[in-house]
Amino acid sequence: SSELTQPPSVSVSPGQTARITCSGDALAKQYVNWHQQKPGQAPALVIYKDTERPSGIPERFSGSRSGTTVTLTISGVQAEDAADYYCQSGDSSVTSWLFGGGTKLTVL
Amino acid sequence: QVQLVQSGAEVKKPGASVKVSCRASGYTFTSYPINWVRQAPGQGLEWMGWINPYNGNTMYDQKFQGRVTMTTDTSTSTAYMELRSLRSDDTAMYFCAGQIFGVILWGQGTLVTVSS
Repeated sequence: SSELTQPPSVSVSPGQTARITCSGDALAKQYVNWHQQKPGQAPALVIYKDTERPSGIPERFSGSRSGTTVTLTISGVQAEDAADYYCQSGDSSVTSWLFGGGTKLTVL
Repeated sequence: QVQLVQSGAEVKKPGASVKVSCRASGYTFTSYPINWVRQAPGQGLEWMGWINPYNGNTMYDQKFQGRVTMTTDTSTSTAYMELRSLRSDDTAMYFCAGQIFGVILWGQGTLVTVSS
């Protein structure tokens, strides 16, 4: 399968931990990148190669993997973290990008 | 700093073509492929294809084969995405993105509206 599956929505209260999963057969051989998109803005990378954090991204963002499921964890969620989050990987032949359907994070 | 800057919004009639540009700066343009991704209103991200500025090689998603052409001008470090035979469902924000120095950087997006 060349699909990446994410939950459509996740809701947490400020200060709690949010976990967003991404699963798919392609992940057996590919790293995952996570992109945050706020309304009216371009996506922005928050995690790359499953667990790496680009410079400027707060430490509360982290990534982990278990088999073909990758998880984006946001610890101590803040109101500003409310956004859509997309996982992205390459297909099995590493010739194209795959995107998950996106998860809307609501901070209650 | 490293950045990708896209051209401005476009309004086109059905059947027309649109050409969106993406100007790179802050790195060696020919070192990294440029991907194009679009997002219809209220929808998710959809990969369209990539171009390697070093040799001009391209890979298009099957959905856009025959209707999209990606090119580059290395003299100006600019990538282009042309979409032909526009339909109303091509109305979307179009983004360029590159995996530069190991991390993915996005352009700011170009809104293309297709309307009669």
